[in-house]
Amino acid sequence: HVQLQESGPGLVKPSQTLSLTCSVSSGSIDSDGYYWSWIRQHPVKGLEWIGYIDNSGNSYYNPFLKSRVSISLDMSSNQVSLEVTSVTAADTAVYYCARTPSTINGMDVWGQGTTVTVSS
Amino acid sequence: DTRMTQSPSSLSASVGDTVTITCQASHDISNYLNWYQQKPGKAPNLLIFDASYLEAGVPSRFSGSGSGTHFTLIIRNVQPEDIATYYCQHHDNLPWTFGQGTKLDLK
Repeated sequence: HVQLQESGPGLVKPSQTLSLTCSVSSGSIDSDGYYWSWIRQHPVKGLEWIGYIDNSGNSYYNPFLKSRVSISLDMSSNQVSLEVTSVTAADTAVYYCARTPSTINGMDVWGQGTTVTVSS
Repeated sequence: DTRMTQSPSSLSASVGDTVTITCQASHDISNYLNWYQQKPGKAPNLLIFDASYLEAGVPSRFSGSGSGTHFTLIIRNVQPEDIATYYCQHHDNLPWTFGQGTKLDLK
């Protein structure tokens, strides 16, 4: 069954760019019928959906991040990437990637999450 | 954005109890509502999609209902492994948003 694993720096300085990678195994990110989503969870808070991308490269981002976010695919590595620019302490969170079947628009397979702290 | 409001924020139950969690949408979202369970330190797990359809592998003691703006998640015969925080998520339009969560613990 498909598995997802997030990776990236655990500490990012304010104003810098947060870059995370989601490695997908036992499944292809080029499969039709799926979005690949990123979601974050602030400490002791709820879930925020960041955005998604499909295998054609079409993406949608939650407006709360405005123009600071981008999601991309690397088909050769079977990875999904997330970038958030100009980070502040408010971007400190656990970041998850998740597979999202377009038939239900729900996240049915999740990575284990990676903690990112924004601090100088 | 569509606002999702869950109630209660927390509740306590004994093993064997039946508990009900509600989720209210700020406007009509038809049945475009999913439920997740999140245990401490773990990623969320999809329980129910489109308001009432049980995800594969989820115990039948979980059930969901509702449409429009009012939705419920019912857990019958609560078990110790059900201790978790539960979230609703709408997918009526973009951006998708989650409820603030309902924390279930044991009495």
